[in-house]
Amino acid sequence: DIQMTQSPSSLSASVGDRVTITCRASQSISRFLNWYQQKPGKAPKLLIYVASSLQSGVPSRFSGSGSGTDFTLTISSLQPEDFATYYCQQSYSTPLTFGGGTKVEIK
Amino acid sequence: EVQLVESGGGLVQPGGSLRLSCAASGFTFSTYAMTWVRQAPGKGLEWVSAISGNGGRTDYADSVKGRFTISRDNSKNTLYLQMNSLRAEDTAIYYCAKVSRTTVTTGYIYFDYWGQGILVTVSS
Repeated sequence: DIQMTQSPSSLSASVGDRVTITCRASQSISRFLNWYQQKPGKAPKLLIYVASSLQSGVPSRFSGSGSGTDFTLTISSLQPEDFATYYCQQSYSTPLTFGGGTKVEIK
Repeated sequence: EVQLVESGGGLVQPGGSLRLSCAASGFTFSTYAMTWVRQAPGKGLEWVSAISGNGGRTDYADSVKGRFTISRDNSKNTLYLQMNSLRAEDTAIYYCAKVSRTTVTTGYIYFDYWGQGILVTVSS
């Protein structure tokens, strides 16, 4: 099974900050990496698919990059509504595994 | 508008069974694979199972293989998860989600729409 490791597990940031979250796969997954945002008590929401494609309706301040084993999610200017937990997920092979999550909190 | 509505959750004793349903609308159900993802209280997301659009291929996480069965009725636009031999560690919110393609055999897949989730509690 492919293990997905996110870092950091949590971070504190201020509105307007640039935030970067890292996801590492235990083996190469090409570009088959997706990012989701989850707010408390809500279902996850797709942000980025296939490493860097922005899902329709998602603000352009979100971007994704990477290939192989190392990927990043960047929020260029953190907004109040972005405080949430972010998960990466590989779609290279089943079982489809998620990272442990990164909680973005208000500083 | 795509809508996914889960039902069938609740409290069940260890060793018991439960069947979850997910009613879908707003898209051509039979064209897309569907999946179940769960989240234990205070924990992260765990993929559980997926089924192809025509129901011909199913995949499972090792943690549920042999105990859970995913199925679908394309005439009713409904996805199911039959859960047997339930354990305390199966306690979680269960989400159904639409997959971006007809199967999960390609890497170009992602979960683009999610239901609101349904709580399953396994406890005596």
